[in-house]
Amino acid sequence: SQTIHQWPATLVQPVGSPLSLECTVEGTSNPNLYWYRQAAGRGLQLLFYSVGIGQISSEVPQNLSASRPQDRQFILSSKKLLLSDSGFYLCARGTSGANVLTFGAGSRLTVL
Amino acid sequence: KQEVTQIPAALSVPEGENLVLNCSFTDSAIYNLQWFRQDPGKGLTSLLLIQSSQREQTSGRLNASLDKSSGRSTLYIAASQPGDSATYLCAVRRNTGGFKTIFGAGTRLFVKA
Repeated sequence: SQTIHQWPATLVQPVGSPLSLECTVEGTSNPNLYWYRQAAGRGLQLLFYSVGIGQISSEVPQNLSASRPQDRQFILSSKKLLLSDSGFYLCARGTSGANVLTFGAGSRLTVL
Repeated sequence: KQEVTQIPAALSVPEGENLVLNCSFTDSAIYNLQWFRQDPGKGLTSLLLIQSSQREQTSGRLNASLDKSSGRSTLYIAASQPGDSATYLCAVRRNTGGFKTIFGAGTRLFVKA
């Protein structure tokens, strides 16, 4: 199974509050892991990717951060949320070699 | 910098019609191209993957083609059905510089019964 679990599924947070979105994956070890954000009516924006424990690459300067404390765990965080952080956050894994992407069900964040 | 564009942004067709969705990318040095389907408020479901050495892939009523030299891919849907209504996303994995996959903004398809 290459199942991807994301939680929470939905979240409403006030501006300035912290954030933690969690993604865990099943299946083969040492997967490539990704965080994408999808704003309303727009395409997917790659935020972070990780090729191994503790290895994080950031694509877009912002107030978000990511961590990979375990092989199959990928966490997206913020210390202080902005209104512009609202969106649909998707975690994905890539298989080795072909790097076929598989996505989780997503976490919808609304910042008020 | 790789950019992925999908045309049209939205499409409405009657049931039974054959249709083509277009995807173009600016950097032909790609590793693979993947087509996804996204239902409203849901995650993405992979439909077809084309490796850079391949020209097309087929799955049921879906056929995807790839022309790397011109930076284009098409997704052909035969005999469309109302259940095909969704947003279709094209994604390109770069050949160099890590494992990044870049997405187009998608084509929103509505098939009328």
